[in-house]
Amino acid sequence: QQQVKQSPQSLIVQKGGISIINCAYENTAFDYFPWYQQFPGKGPALLIAIRPDVSEKKEGRFTISFNKSAKQFSLHIMDSQPGDSATYFCAASGRGTSYGKLTFGQGTILTVHP
Amino acid sequence: DAGVIQSPRHEVTEMGQEVTLRCKPISGHNSLFWYRQTMMRGLELLIYFNNNVPIDDSGMPEDRFSAKMPNASFSTLKIQPSEPRDSAVYFCASSWSPGQGSEAFFGQGTRLTVV
Repeated sequence: QQQVKQSPQSLIVQKGGISIINCAYENTAFDYFPWYQQFPGKGPALLIAIRPDVSEKKEGRFTISFNKSAKQFSLHIMDSQPGDSATYFCAASGRGTSYGKLTFGQGTILTVHP
Repeated sequence: DAGVIQSPRHEVTEMGQEVTLRCKPISGHNSLFWYRQTMMRGLELLIYFNNNVPIDDSGMPEDRFSAKMPNASFSTLKIQPSEPRDSAVYFCASSWSPGQGSEAFFGQGTRLTVV
């Protein structure tokens, strides 16, 4: 049973546009929701993360929006740049476990055209 | 710090052979994770150690897979015998976990091909 569902599978955006990736989870025991960025041939790297006690977190051009009642969260990339082209994974970790014990979404391949 | 170090970066082996993947976590981290990435199944957790002790190995697919962490600075993931369906990228990650702790840092991965 997939516990974190991510969409879309792929996304093409023009430079300067907004990229939006959505995730939904089922397990109400999750209480840490990170987004990871992965470039080809590299390991995933933490981009931004949120706990369910806040509805939004912003770091530079990256924003997580979190809707606890709907069990959904999303990543917004403002002013998307070609260097943002990568695969993005949402993930979740459960209460009382390590932040490294992650359930990942299936990933979104983002392409930003110049 | 050099980050999480995995070796080898690439491994090609024949079906039936034993394969050993190695990981050196970030110094000072006390939790270590092995993940596998495939197109079909995405990123999935295989096993998780805390203070060198296996805490959760429910993701280990079969008895052919085994993992050890003999000390705080080294872990291995062994597949014996290997099968073509084991072909994937294997990642090691580490974090500091007093309670929930810090984010997980991933290594560069080992791309395993079993022919």
